[in-house]
Amino acid sequence: DQQVKQNSPSLSVQEGRISILNCDYTNSMFDYFLWYKKYPAEGPTFLISISSIKDKNEDGRFTVFLNKSAKHLSLHIVPSQPGDSAVYFCAASADGNKLVFGAGTILRVKS
Amino acid sequence: GAVVSQHPSRVICKSGTSVKIECRSLDFQATTMFWYRQFPKQSLMLMATSNEGSKATYEQGVEKDKFLINHASLTLSTLTVTSAHPEDSSFYICSARDWRVETQYFGPGTRLLVL
Repeated sequence: DQQVKQNSPSLSVQEGRISILNCDYTNSMFDYFLWYKKYPAEGPTFLISISSIKDKNEDGRFTVFLNKSAKHLSLHIVPSQPGDSAVYFCAASADGNKLVFGAGTILRVKS
Repeated sequence: GAVVSQHPSRVICKSGTSVKIECRSLDFQATTMFWYRQFPKQSLMLMATSNEGSKATYEQGVEKDKFLINHASLTLSTLTVTSAHPEDSSFYICSARDWRVETQYFGPGTRLLVL
């Protein structure tokens, strides 16, 4: 039972353009959502998070949007840079409990 | 930002031996730490949740006698893979939750190869 889904296994974007990574969830009890970036053979790096009481959170080039009614969140990276190329994981938790991860999306930013 | 370290970063061992992996939160206290395993081209799989001063909670299908977890202090958790076998070869990653926020910060991971 996949509670957090990232339906796009990969995404390719031109440098300078916007990258949009999507994530859907099924558990309505989730109240905290996070995005992590991961390089091969390294641990995930925290990027940005959002609480269910908000619908948008912005940090520099990264913005996360949350649509609770659609149970959907997205990560926008603008402008995209070649160094952003990595695997991006969406994660969710309920009441501060364990994180449930999506399968990840490979982002490739072409220069 | 919060820093979590893991040691060792890589370990190669013979089948049947035990391997201990340490996870430390360097600049914050973590009442809860998590241990994950990642297989090639797959997502992170939570193995267990480690709470300081109490027994770890293991996910379904994870053998608690094989993967011993100790969370002796607010900054240190250890995972011991006992009697390791080649199928235990994997990438093990820990995370620590900063008690002040809900965010988990991850260590750099440990690559285990059992020969």
